[in-house]
Amino acid sequence: GESVGLHLPTLSVQEGDNSIINCAYSNSASDYFIWYKQESGKGPQFIIDIRSNMDKRQGQRVTVLLNKTVKHLSLQIAATQPGDSAVYFCAVYSGAGSYQLTFGKGTKLSVIP
Amino acid sequence: GAGVSQSPSNKVTEKGKDVELRCDPISGHTALYWYRQSLGQGLEFLIYFQGNSAPDKSGLPSDRFSAERTGGSVSTLTIQRTQQEDSAVYLCASSLSPPSGRGEQFFGPGTRLTVL
Repeated sequence: GESVGLHLPTLSVQEGDNSIINCAYSNSASDYFIWYKQESGKGPQFIIDIRSNMDKRQGQRVTVLLNKTVKHLSLQIAATQPGDSAVYFCAVYSGAGSYQLTFGKGTKLSVIP
Repeated sequence: GAGVSQSPSNKVTEKGKDVELRCDPISGHTALYWYRQSLGQGLEFLIYFQGNSAPDKSGLPSDRFSAERTGGSVSTLTIQRTQQEDSAVYLCASSLSPPSGRGEQFFGPGTRLTVL
């Protein structure tokens, strides 16, 4: 099976600084990774994804890095804003044909104005 | 466009009662998922529907839990004889289905279930 762990359950950053949220997974066959943002009282919202044939992908103010050697991925948020305050989850599909997403427990990001 | 909707948004029930939670997926999405999120935790997979295929029920925690998807669209999650440990937010998600059977999952706002 797959287990998805998190290095840090909470993270506080100053507004304008960069944020880095980390995630580790256990299954070397995992091939598709997604970061979700969940605001209080809402369902998770897709931020960015990356497939195992890539090691970096950029979006608007967000970058996901994938290190398959150590089974680690990270989400970087540039110039963090108060609206970025939320819980961030990494989620992993394990292998071609797998349709079950395994979620980590989440990192709560708090932005200090 | 319309996203995934769930009803009710909140449900308070007494221990031992049955509850039904509803999910309306995005139109055209053939894949539908149910998850459970306990306080401060990640999402726990419950069940997966894909088109007319038999659902994957491997995540259902007990036989008190069941789900249906009628006409390939609306889904209902039923919890019989509710217990206090069933208290959680129940999330529904839907997605398009590439040949690999996976896609970005779009989540509804969830139903917060409280069992007294």
